[in-house]
Amino acid sequence: DQQVKQNSPSLSVQEGRISILNCDYTNSMFDYFLWYKKYPAEGPTFLISISSIKDKNEDGRFTVFLNKSAKHLSLHIVPSQPGDSAVYFCAASDTGNQFYFGTGTSLTVIP
Amino acid sequence: NAGVMQNPRHLVRRRGQEARLRCSPMKGHSHVYWYRQLPEEGLKFMVYLQKENIIDESGMPKERFSAEFPKEGPSILRIQQVVRGDSAAYFCASSFVGSYEQYFGPGTRLTVT
Repeated sequence: DQQVKQNSPSLSVQEGRISILNCDYTNSMFDYFLWYKKYPAEGPTFLISISSIKDKNEDGRFTVFLNKSAKHLSLHIVPSQPGDSAVYFCAASDTGNQFYFGTGTSLTVIP
Repeated sequence: NAGVMQNPRHLVRRRGQEARLRCSPMKGHSHVYWYRQLPEEGLKFMVYLQKENIIDESGMPKERFSAEFPKEGPSILRIQQVVRGDSAAYFCASSFVGSYEQYFGPGTRLTVT
């Protein structure tokens, strides 16, 4: 049972434009959400996180939005750069013990 | 400050052999998580440990798999009598106590022939 879903396996965006990656979850008890970026043959790299008491968190070009009523979060990257091309995973947790990851969205930023 | 280290990076085992995967957390991190990623899938939680203690092993298969994080030395994920379905990338992550932010190692790619 996939509690965290990323329904878009891939996304292509022109350099300089906004990339929007989406993530949906089913467990209303999740209270912390994270985004990771992964290059081939490497481990995921932490990007940005948000707790359920907030609806937005921003760090440079990266902003995460949380809509608790819709059980939806999104990662906005603006402006997108070619180096952002990677697979992006969202993850969620309710206790901090176990983290549930989505299946990932492969982002390609076209120069 | 070294990041999370995993070794070996690649491991080939024949069916029935044992696989041992090692993870050294980041300096100062006392918590370790193990994940498995099958081809075309996301990361699946396996086990969460702190030194000398298993906190949550609900994602670990009941048979053949075990994990430890001793007082001294790296965390070990052990897979006995490997089967072809165990072929996957195994990632270790570590965190500070009380932190939700995990830092991942580069993974060990296990191939069972």
